[in-house]
Amino acid sequence: AQTVTQSQPEMSVQEAETVTLSCTYDTSENNYYLFWYKQPPSRQMILVIRQEAYKQQNATENRFSVNFQKAAKSFSLKISDSQLGDTAMYFCAFMKPSNAGGTSYGKLTFGQGTILTVHP
Amino acid sequence: EAGVTQSPTHLIKTRGQQVTLRCSPISGHTSVYWYQQALGLGLQFLLWYDEGEERNRGNFPPRFSGRQFPNYSSELNVNALELEDSALYLCASSSDRIPGNTIFFGDGSW
Repeated sequence: AQTVTQSQPEMSVQEAETVTLSCTYDTSENNYYLFWYKQPPSRQMILVIRQEAYKQQNATENRFSVNFQKAAKSFSLKISDSQLGDTAMYFCAFMKPSNAGGTSYGKLTFGQGTILTVHP
Repeated sequence: EAGVTQSPTHLIKTRGQQVTLRCSPISGHTSVYWYQQALGLGLQFLLWYDEGEERNRGNFPPRFSGRQFPNYSSELNVNALELEDSALYLCASSSDRIPGNTIFFGDGSW
């Protein structure tokens, strides 16, 4: 079974600064997907960024980028130029492709989450 | 394009009652997922439906059940409600036609 670990329960950053959230995972699979989701106080679950394990290039979405280290099974999220609206719970998640088979396919396995607070 | 929609947004039940939550996936998505987010317990996978069939089930008792309709919408039923069932229930959808099978979430039923 896959596990996802976020070792930072809470983080804080000043507006306009950069912050990195950590995530490690455990799997024996070679092909999989990794995601970062953001959940603001409104409790919506919003996709931030996605990474395919077979791609060596790190994914980037505007101010959000990842550092994907497949051998180390590490998937950290970097937020540049932090904004007040970035304040939220951030979840790292793992997914096997839905056609991969097995009891864990087709579902997201989430980490425990990191509460990020951006201070003005 | 409409996202994943859920109803009701919020409801109050008493212990022992039954509840039905509803979810409409993004147009063109055939897979629907249900997750439970209880305070302090993170997100727990409940059920996955695809093309009308249950494909996977999380570690929840049988009183949690659901179904997917021909139009791909879904219901989650919880019978004999217990206090620990108090949670945010998130529905999500995805399509195998979208690379990476990215799962998109609704706003939840609390």
